Amino acid sequence: EVQLVESGGGLVQPGGSLRLSCAASGFTFSNSWMSWVRQAPGKGLEWVANIKEDGSDKNYVDSVKGRFTISRDNAKNSLYLQMNSLRAEDTAVYYCARAQQLLYWGQGTLVTVSS
Amino acid sequence: QTVVTQEPSFSVSPGGTVTLTCGLGSGSVSTSYSPCWYQQTPGQAPRTLIYSTNTRSSGVPDRFSGSILGNKAALTITGAQADDESDYYCVLYIGSGIWVFGGGTKLTVL
Repeated sequence: EVQLVESGGGLVQPGGSLRLSCAASGFTFSNSWMSWVRQAPGKGLEWVANIKEDGSDKNYVDSVKGRFTISRDNAKNSLYLQMNSLRAEDTAVYYCARAQQLLYWGQGTLVTVSS
Repeated sequence: QTVVTQEPSFSVSPGGTVTLTCGLGSGSVSTSYSPCWYQQTPGQAPRTLIYSTNTRSSGVPDRFSGSILGNKAALTITGAQADDESDYYCVLYIGSGIWVFGGGTKLTVL
């Protein structure tokens, strides 16, 4: 059974940093693109970033370019999202998902950016 | 800036058929956009229904089907049930590894 478990969310001040993690199991992680998607409170889904199987290709939505970095550790079956220079508008539940097509989803972790 | 359009809301009677669409602000959606569809109920993570235009995700009943209708991607639900009442999102691949979601459709079954 595919499982994706996000962690690392919390309350952070504007301008601060946070690192999200996603622990994957139930599939061959090293053979799969991985993605991050977020959902602001009461709003729709927003694709954030994805990363190729070997980490050689990374893509980002314009609003996070230069601030967020997606990475992975295939030895640990883990996906990460380093978020710097956080803004109020980054407040959202962050989901990790398997593949570019978002075939499986975790339950999400809430990030709140507020002073 | 690519805009992906969805109907904000839709209503269907129990047992009825409904087709939700996913378009582009400018241009036509084709299979090359690899449209995918997701269902989300309040407080829950999204569930994948359809990927690559018309491939049902594991465990998704065949009441859900995906297609291209005219210049849009479409999700058709046949024999709507009460628990189909959810938000439905589409996402399109616009190239260079980038995906864009539509704003979602709130489906009411009544």
